[in-house]
Amino acid sequence: LAKTTQPISMDSYEGQEVNITCSHNNIATNDYITWYQQFPSQGPRFIIQGYKTKVTNEVASLFIPADRKSSTLSLPRVSLSDTAVYYCLVVGNFNKFYFGSGTKLNVKP
Amino acid sequence: GAVVSQHPSRVICKSGTSVKIECRSLDFQATTMFWYRQFPKQSLMLMATSNEGSKATYEQGVEKDKFLINHASLTLSTLTVTSAHPEDSSFYICSARSPGTGGQETQYFGPGTRLLVL
Repeated sequence: LAKTTQPISMDSYEGQEVNITCSHNNIATNDYITWYQQFPSQGPRFIIQGYKTKVTNEVASLFIPADRKSSTLSLPRVSLSDTAVYYCLVVGNFNKFYFGSGTKLNVKP
Repeated sequence: GAVVSQHPSRVICKSGTSVKIECRSLDFQATTMFWYRQFPKQSLMLMATSNEGSKATYEQGVEKDKFLINHASLTLSTLTVTSAHPEDSSFYICSARSPGTGGQETQYFGPGTRLLVL
């Protein structure tokens, strides 16, 4: 099971692009990277997932370098409502999800 | 798509009573669901894996007789906290595994159930 390391917290301002990097040095060949967002007293919300290179959807982009030992979640032009905890998970199919500490993003006006 | 619901959203009970929490996948079938517990300012902790038509598998340190799980259909799993005590007060969250796209599975989470045991 690949262990992940993320910054405990990050601060940003409205309108800025935020990049949260996750390290996963022992990622296995078949593992992929998944990111979730969690607001207080709510269940985690799926943001994006990918295996390699770049994945983009309507809310975020995920950058994965060739060695796949890290990944970066990019949130364009954050707003106050993006203040939340963001979790990076490295998983394989049929695996269980074990959550790390996540990154608490604080967006300031 | 990929919506998971939980009921109730909040429950308060007396010590010693049992509480049942339902988790439903609303628009997809899930042979596997998961139950998590989250204490204030902490991360999610996996409690057990719920398998449709078979016994649940529990993580180390989780009492199976305390937290009864039933996965009777492809869209419903229930968690019963038996003889609840104040230390069981927590935020319980379920998730359901979905096939996802490109061969990558995804877990979709319910909104959570806040349990307060008095």
